[in-house]
Amino acid sequence: GAVVSQHPSWVICKSGTSVKIECRSLDFQATTMFWYRQFPKQSLMLMATSNEGSKATYEQGVEKDKFLINHASLTLSTLTVTSAHPEDSSFYICSARDLRGNEQFFGPGTRLTVL
Amino acid sequence: GQNIDQPTEMTATEGAIVQINCTYQTSGFNGLFWYQQHAGEAPTFLSYNVLDGLEEKGRFSSFLSRSKGYSYLLLKELQMKDSASYLCAVIDSNYQLIWGAGTKLIIKP
Repeated sequence: GAVVSQHPSWVICKSGTSVKIECRSLDFQATTMFWYRQFPKQSLMLMATSNEGSKATYEQGVEKDKFLINHASLTLSTLTVTSAHPEDSSFYICSARDLRGNEQFFGPGTRLTVL
Repeated sequence: GQNIDQPTEMTATEGAIVQINCTYQTSGFNGLFWYQQHAGEAPTFLSYNVLDGLEEKGRFSSFLSRSKGYSYLLLKELQMKDSASYLCAVIDSNYQLIWGAGTKLIIKP
């Protein structure tokens, strides 16, 4: 089956620093990738939809200047949390949709802890 | 390795009851989620279980047995709009989300 990887799996950083999370589709091409955030015991919350070669579409309430998304190729999207603060500590999960658009595959998630 | 198993596809009749099973083998356990996902849309949260037993929420119920590494999602009074994929996901000891491949549920009139 299709595999989506994320790197890093977990990261701890100091307040005010920036963190980059990579999402890769390993054995298929993904025109669309999704970035989610999930707080403990809560649902996935869609942050943004990323299309290869174009600007990401952000959900209401998500600061696009804080959460920078780049989808430079059909197999890679990155999420950069700029000037991270403790309230940004969360589980960040990406998913990728294949070219046919029929299925969406989820990555394992990245746990971010901001001190 | 870590693994989550759920059936690939199930078919049920409108108005009936269906149970979608999920078994898991993970390094540690910090909770199990069920999500519903309609084609082309983001998944939506259905339930979260961390203790053994049954959690009921309207037409949907979720059951967990940690000793058996087993959960099920029970859908009652099925409606056509329940046709979707149902994803089982487990949080392991490293707080990584381990996802099942999803069960595609087809509802027939």
